[in-house]
Amino acid sequence: DAGVTQSPTHLIKTRGQQVTLRCSPKSGHDTVSWYQQALGQGPQFIFQYYEEEERQRGNFPDRFSGHQFPNYSSELNVNALLLGDSALYLCASSLPREAYNEQFFGPGTRLTVL
Amino acid sequence: AQSVSQHNHHVILSEAASLELGCNYSYGGTVNLFWYVQYPGQHLQLLLKYFSGDPLVKGIKGFEAEFIKSKFSFNLRKPSVQWSDTAEYFCAVLSGAGSYQLTFGKGTKLSVIP
Repeated sequence: DAGVTQSPTHLIKTRGQQVTLRCSPKSGHDTVSWYQQALGQGPQFIFQYYEEEERQRGNFPDRFSGHQFPNYSSELNVNALLLGDSALYLCASSLPREAYNEQFFGPGTRLTVL
Repeated sequence: AQSVSQHNHHVILSEAASLELGCNYSYGGTVNLFWYVQYPGQHLQLLLKYFSGDPLVKGIKGFEAEFIKSKFSFNLRKPSVQWSDTAEYFCAVLSGAGSYQLTFGKGTKLSVIP
């Protein structure tokens, strides 16, 4: 049973560039959440996708956008990268019916902005 | 906005010592509470969760947590730690009906000395 997978593992970009990160949810899950984890901090909620729509959004600027595909996989896009966007980006999947269903996390994508 | 405080940044214990990690949250309404663990080189995974009912919750690997509503706390405990418990522990809260946003604390790093 495949867990949550993310690609790429690592990414280096320069300020002003744009980046796309990808996530495939755990088998049977159709809800995907994205988190940003800066060094020494806990994960911070960016947004959650369900039925190909953004269901809830955290306190992140519009430079952060996402998409969910019919097969439930998801992308996180970040435009106009800033140095402060350097972080580990985590994807988590869950079943949709209850908000408190367990979220299963992927290994993350380490983004470095130079 | 909801906030989660974890009192200890780094805890060092000898094997067989007892563990208690503190977690306090700020939201005064209905909450769902979680403890996640990240072992070295592994994904975040769920240790235990509280939704309702018995405020003493038992999780995997001998961990338990107690929800004390009057103190806005959800402390994690284990009577006797093992070297394999070395990991980073995160407390997380879902606050309010209809919220899908998990708010995490900054985490507590636990080092267990053999």
